[in-house]
Amino acid sequence: NAGVTQTPKFQVLKTGQSMTLQCAQDMNHEYMSWYRQDPGMGLRLIHYSVGAGITDQGEVPNGYNVSRSTTEDFPLRLLSAAPSQTSVYFCASSPNRLADETQYFGPGTRLLVL
Amino acid sequence: AQSVTQLGSHVSVSEGALVLLRCNYSSSVPPYLFWYVQYPNQGLQLLLKYTSAATLVKGINGFEAEFKKSETSFHLTKPSAHMSDAAEYFCAVMTTDSWGKFQFGAGTQVVVTP
Repeated sequence: NAGVTQTPKFQVLKTGQSMTLQCAQDMNHEYMSWYRQDPGMGLRLIHYSVGAGITDQGEVPNGYNVSRSTTEDFPLRLLSAAPSQTSVYFCASSPNRLADETQYFGPGTRLLVL
Repeated sequence: AQSVTQLGSHVSVSEGALVLLRCNYSSSVPPYLFWYVQYPNQGLQLLLKYTSAATLVKGINGFEAEFKKSETSFHLTKPSAHMSDAAEYFCAVMTTDSWGKFQFGAGTQVVVTP
């Protein structure tokens, strides 16, 4: 199993550009989530999904969209990038809620918005 | 609503000394509690978790944590620090009434000195 994979590893955007951060998992996990990590603030939940076709907002959803058309993929879309979205983004997945609450994290995507 | 507070953003320990990282939580319902470790330029890895079973939880790499409901704490300890323990550590909480919405602390950076 590859686990949780994220692409790209690093991206530079100009203000106003849009892009999609990709996240995929091959463990048949129901739950997937996106976090952003900023110095001194830990990880903050952006959006999450408890299964295909179901998404919900986390703590900091503004400026980001998600969809979950398949169990494996959970892309994060930045609609119009802003310098405040410069951060490291992590995707995570978990098995069925009745089986295991452990989150498995991807390696992260470093995003710089100029 | 739940929240997590980690006391101390930086901790310096000598090799062989006790490692103690403090985490306090706030939750109106019984929580699930987690400790994750992040090595430089990597994603997060689960160290251990409390899910309402034994209050003393043992994890990987010699770490353990004790859930104390009366103190709303879940402190992480390791009897003897190793150079390889240098990393950032995050405490996280989730509750059954908001399953999937993990709340992370701000993190504690651990430096191990020879």
